[in-house]
Amino acid sequence: KQEVTQIPAALSVPEGENLVLNCSFTDSAIYNLQWFRQDPGKGLTSLLLIQSSQREQTSGRLNASLDKSSGRSTLYIAASQPGDSATYLCAVRAGTYKYIFGTGTRLKVLA
Amino acid sequence: IAGITQAPTSQILAAGRRMTLRCTQDMRHNAMYWYRQDLGLGLRLIHYSNTAGTTGKGEVPDGYSVSRANTDDFPLTLASAVPSQTSVYFCASRDTDRDTEAFFGQGTRLTVV
Repeated sequence: KQEVTQIPAALSVPEGENLVLNCSFTDSAIYNLQWFRQDPGKGLTSLLLIQSSQREQTSGRLNASLDKSSGRSTLYIAASQPGDSATYLCAVRAGTYKYIFGTGTRLKVLA
Repeated sequence: IAGITQAPTSQILAAGRRMTLRCTQDMRHNAMYWYRQDLGLGLRLIHYSNTAGTTGKGEVPDGYSVSRANTDDFPLTLASAVPSQTSVYFCASRDTDRDTEAFFGQGTRLTVV
């Protein structure tokens, strides 16, 4: 059974710091992995989608990597800002309809 | 603006009442999903639909039903609400033919009392 884990559950960093969020999954047979951002009381906003054949994706200050063989993905945020404060979720697509979500990392960037 | 619209935004519902959560997308995505999000449990799939006219059960389908009469709409019905159905419900969609990312609505916060 596929399980997705995100560590740490919460993280506080000073503004300007580069940081890495971790996502691990137990079964390497995935179609893709998606990173989302969720603001309090809001829905999920897609940040990056990495297909199983890809190693990384970049969007602005965000870079996501995928290592299927080790069951890990990282989301790198460069030069963090207070506006980056949110919960970050990763999800693996394990079938046509089947997404398995981690429970998220709650990030706070201090001004 | 293209996307997914959910209604209502929030609702307080008496136990035993029937309730339908609405979800509409205008991206012509073939696949749609309903998730519930609970503290400490993350998002769990309730029901899904791969195309209009078909639906399937997810991880936690009991007490919920869905229909997919057309491409755009995917309502979720609670036939007789119970307090354990208190949660935040998210609708999502994606285009499986083009293998796009999943897009989510803003959620419906439901409290069953």
